[in-house]
Amino acid sequence: AQSVTQPDIHITVSEGASLELRCNYSYGATPYLFWYVQSPGQGLQLLLKYFSGDTLVQGIKGFEAEFKRSQSSFNLRKPSVHWSDAAEYFCAVPDKGGNEKLTFGTGTRLTIIP
Amino acid sequence: GAGVSQSPSNKVTEKGKDVELRCDPISGHTALYWYRQSLGQGLEFLIYFQGNSAPDKSGLPSDRFSAERTGGSVSTLTIQRTQQEDSAVYLCASSLQSGEQFFGPGTRLTVL
Repeated sequence: AQSVTQPDIHITVSEGASLELRCNYSYGATPYLFWYVQSPGQGLQLLLKYFSGDTLVQGIKGFEAEFKRSQSSFNLRKPSVHWSDAAEYFCAVPDKGGNEKLTFGTGTRLTIIP
Repeated sequence: GAGVSQSPSNKVTEKGKDVELRCDPISGHTALYWYRQSLGQGLEFLIYFQGNSAPDKSGLPSDRFSAERTGGSVSTLTIQRTQQEDSAVYLCASSLQSGEQFFGPGTRLTVL
């Protein structure tokens, strides 16, 4: 079975600072990879996805992520965070490498301080 | 266009009662998923419908949980004889056969 690890449960950054959220996965082949964001009381919104090709993926809201096969990682980055980025972020991988049921990491809660 | 909708948004029930949660997927999406989000277990897959294929029920935690999808559209998740550990947010998602999953706002279930 696939697994996804998000080692940081909670991260606090200052508004305007850069951000990196870590995600490591275990999967035999090159997986599809997703980052979702969940604001309080809301459902999940897709930030970005990696299917194949360019390992640096651009998403919505100024986020990007880089797929590194050698490290089994898909870290999410943003050069300058805004207060509205405060939310919970989930990394996910499909069960069979395609668009199947997702296995999620435990999430990273992001707090932004003024 | 309309996204995935779920009803009710909140449901409070007594232990032992049955509950039904509804999901209306995005029109034309052939795949529909149910997930559960709880404090102790995070986000867990429950069940997956894809077109006319038999559903993947591998994530259902017990035989008290069942789901159906009528006419390839609306889905209902039923929990019989609810227990306190069933308290969670139940999320529904839909997708085209190969594409991103779009999530609904969820139903928060509280079992007293």
